[in-house]
Amino acid sequence: KQEVTQIPAALSVPEGENLVLNCSFTDSAIYNLQWFRQDPGKGLTSLLLIQSSQREQTSGRLNASLDKSSGRSTLYIAASQPGDSATYLCAAPPSGSARQLTFGSGTQLTVLP
Amino acid sequence: SQTIHQWPATLVQPVGSPLSLECTVEGTSNPNLYWYRQAAGRGLQLLFYSVGIGQISSEVPQNLSASRPQDRQFILSSKKLLLSDSGFYLCAWSRGSQVYGYTFGSGTRLTVV
Repeated sequence: KQEVTQIPAALSVPEGENLVLNCSFTDSAIYNLQWFRQDPGKGLTSLLLIQSSQREQTSGRLNASLDKSSGRSTLYIAASQPGDSATYLCAAPPSGSARQLTFGSGTQLTVLP
Repeated sequence: SQTIHQWPATLVQPVGSPLSLECTVEGTSNPNLYWYRQAAGRGLQLLFYSVGIGQISSEVPQNLSASRPQDRQFILSSKKLLLSDSGFYLCAWSRGSQVYGYTFGSGTRLTVV
């Protein structure tokens, strides 16, 4: 059974800082890993999707890396802005059941102006 | 482009009343469809998923049921709501191939009183 862990649970940084959010998973036989953003009371917005054959994906100030052998993924946010404040979730499908995502509990990010 | 619609956005229902939440996807055919619940202070829990019309898989035994009467329509129901059914319900879709990720709806906030 896939288990996904995110560290830290909460993070508060001043505006302009670069930051790293961590995600670890127990079953390395994943098809892909997806990072989402959730604003309070809202649905999930997909940020980046990394296929199992890829090492990283970039979108604007966001960069996500994937290391299947160690069961880890990181989301790097450059030059953070107050608008980046949200909860960030990573998710991966368990082995043999690619249709079902397993989510981490999320990292609640606050970027202070 | 593909879009996912979920309604209502908020719902307050008394204990013992029925429930019907609807989710529709546009711009694609034969999507995989999912219902997730996010309880306060807890992570996302997969409730049901469907790979085709009339095909429903349940992940967690509970007071809820799901149906897929049409290819792009997914309905979450209950005959009698419990207080513990309160939470944030999210519908999602994905393509059959796992090369692509998941797209979520905007969610329904259900409060059972």
